[in-house]
Amino acid sequence: DTEVTQTPKHLVMGMTNKKSLKCEQHMGHRAMYWYKQKAKKPPELMFVYSYEKLSINESVPSRFSPECPNSSLLNLHLHALQPEDSALYLCASSLGLATDTQYFGPGTRLTVL
Amino acid sequence: AQRVTQPEKLLSVFKGAPVELKCNYSYSGSPELFWYVQYSRQRLQLLLRHISRESIKGFTADLNKGETSFHLKKPFAQEEDSAMYYCALGHSGAGSYQLTFGKGTKLSVIP
Repeated sequence: DTEVTQTPKHLVMGMTNKKSLKCEQHMGHRAMYWYKQKAKKPPELMFVYSYEKLSINESVPSRFSPECPNSSLLNLHLHALQPEDSALYLCASSLGLATDTQYFGPGTRLTVL
Repeated sequence: AQRVTQPEKLLSVFKGAPVELKCNYSYSGSPELFWYVQYSRQRLQLLLRHISRESIKGFTADLNKGETSFHLKKPFAQEEDSAMYYCALGHSGAGSYQLTFGKGTKLSVIP
């Protein structure tokens, strides 16, 4: 399996809902990433997990809560989001940390009403 | 601080014409540069990276440290090259490694 998979593909939620995004890879990669991408903009890094430990949090609001249950899985828990959080959320993984290529998932299109 | 600049938002060329997508970077350390491509309705994927010195789909890019540039070139554009291209700088910080992306250039190849 040489792909990063993400579920769901699309998600619509209200501002009071709690939902989760899921990312999975079975390539033996030890670094995993969450990015946010607004329309016609580049991806913006949110979180980096290295060997299942959070190593970078780019000043992301606490309504986004990442979790890495094991080396193959990465979750992003969402609570009390705002309409401006609507975006494409991308997951990526890489073999290790130093200069490795990142492999991206197809993304979850999130709409917050 | 690190920065990646792609000066062209949109670049239109005719099929068969040469293509050059510009990328300049600012970084105090030793840079790792990448080009990522996003075709319509497909995931973001690596096109090439400077360290491997490969030519992928006819594209090449040379790191010029003197000019702090990593321009992407192809001698003859094809219609299937139409896509969004992002230049990215890999760098270490806060005990981890991350990519900083440029704003992207949309390449449109006219038949």
